[in-house]
Amino acid sequence: DQQVKQNSPSLSVQEGRISILNCDYTNSMFDYFLWYKKYPAEGPTFLISISSIKDKNEDGRFTVFLNKSAKHLSLHIVPSQPGDSAVYFCAASETSYDKVIFGPGTSLSVIP
Amino acid sequence: EPEVTQTPSHQVTQMGQEVILRCVPISNHLYFYWYRQILGQKVEFLVSFYNNEISEKSEIFDDQFSVERPDGSNFTLKIRSTKLEDSAMYFCASKRGRGLQETQYFGPGTRLLVL
Repeated sequence: DQQVKQNSPSLSVQEGRISILNCDYTNSMFDYFLWYKKYPAEGPTFLISISSIKDKNEDGRFTVFLNKSAKHLSLHIVPSQPGDSAVYFCAASETSYDKVIFGPGTSLSVIP
Repeated sequence: EPEVTQTPSHQVTQMGQEVILRCVPISNHLYFYWYRQILGQKVEFLVSFYNNEISEKSEIFDDQFSVERPDGSNFTLKIRSTKLEDSAMYFCASKRGRGLQETQYFGPGTRLLVL
């Protein structure tokens, strides 16, 4: 039951360049989307979110884009920094429920 | 900055034993959650808790699992008779309010190993 998919298990990017992490979902009832970042031996840390009524949300170096018709969202990090190296989880919620459904994660390595 | 804390950080137990994982949510938060992540797999929802009762649970959360808020600060997950497949990282989370815009804040996790 893969309601949230992240098809790239890993991504390597040079420092200073843009990192683009992709996410697809299947449940059309999802109306809120989140990105979490996770370092080893730590819990997921909230990064940025977007409501289904928007198509873009920006916070500093991080921008999330949502394409509802394609059931696709992406996280852009620019410029990428070595400290951004972590596992990034795409996640989603629907209004009727309170739980967050996580994708499998993408491991980002930013190379100095 | 307030944070969710969890104890212990690691727990090793024998199959069939009971374990209690403890969490201290952020103090003004009202909604509490447990998730788990089996090694190499994704983070999975277990249960949500509000107003001293379970508000939602997944199919993973069977009769072997229970949650409790024994006092004003702790939130516990009990596994009555552990199985090998319960080995995972268990994350507690909390959030302040009901709306989707309220973010769930996660603790650092308890790594449970069942032998």
